[in-house]
Amino acid sequence: KQEVTQIPAALSVPEGENLVLNCSFTDSAIYNLQWFRQDPGKGLTSLLLIQSSQREQTSGRLNASLDKSSGRSTLYIAASQPGDSATYLCAPRGDSSYKLIFGSGTRLLVRP
Amino acid sequence: NAGVTQTPKFQVLKTGQSMTLQCAQDMNHEYMSWYRQDPGMGLRLIHYSVGAGITDQGEVPNGYNVSRSTTEDFPLRLLSAAPSQTSVYFCASSDTYNEQFFGPGTRLTVL
Repeated sequence: KQEVTQIPAALSVPEGENLVLNCSFTDSAIYNLQWFRQDPGKGLTSLLLIQSSQREQTSGRLNASLDKSSGRSTLYIAASQPGDSATYLCAPRGDSSYKLIFGSGTRLLVRP
Repeated sequence: NAGVTQTPKFQVLKTGQSMTLQCAQDMNHEYMSWYRQDPGMGLRLIHYSVGAGITDQGEVPNGYNVSRSTTEDFPLRLLSAAPSQTSVYFCASSDTYNEQFFGPGTRLTVL
């Protein structure tokens, strides 16, 4: 059974710092992995989708990497801003399934 | 495109009442699913569908029914609401193996 762990659970940083959020998963037989952002009381916004054949995917100040064989993904946020404050969730999708398995998230606070 | 829409946004039920949470998407996606999100439990899959007429159970299906008569709609039915079903419910859709898109959620309280 796929289990997903996100470290750290919470993070508070001053504006401008570069950040790394970590995601590990136990079953490496994944098709892709998606990173989401969730603001308090809101739905999930897709940030990046990285396919199992890819090593990296970039969107603006965000960069996601994937090491499928070791069961790890990282989300790198460059030059953090207060507007980046949210909970970040990673979710791998199995090889033979449409289902996403979610981690418990990293709660990020970027202080002005 | 409106994307994935959910109604209602908020709902309060009494124990034993029934209701249907609506989900619709206008992206012609084959795959649709329902999740619930609870503090400390994360997002858990309730039911999913890989196309019209095809549904299957997820991780926590008890107390919920679904059907998929059209590609666009995937309603979630609570037959007899219980306090344990107090949660935030999210609907999601995608085509085959691509990015999943989530709706804004329905916040349900069962008294």
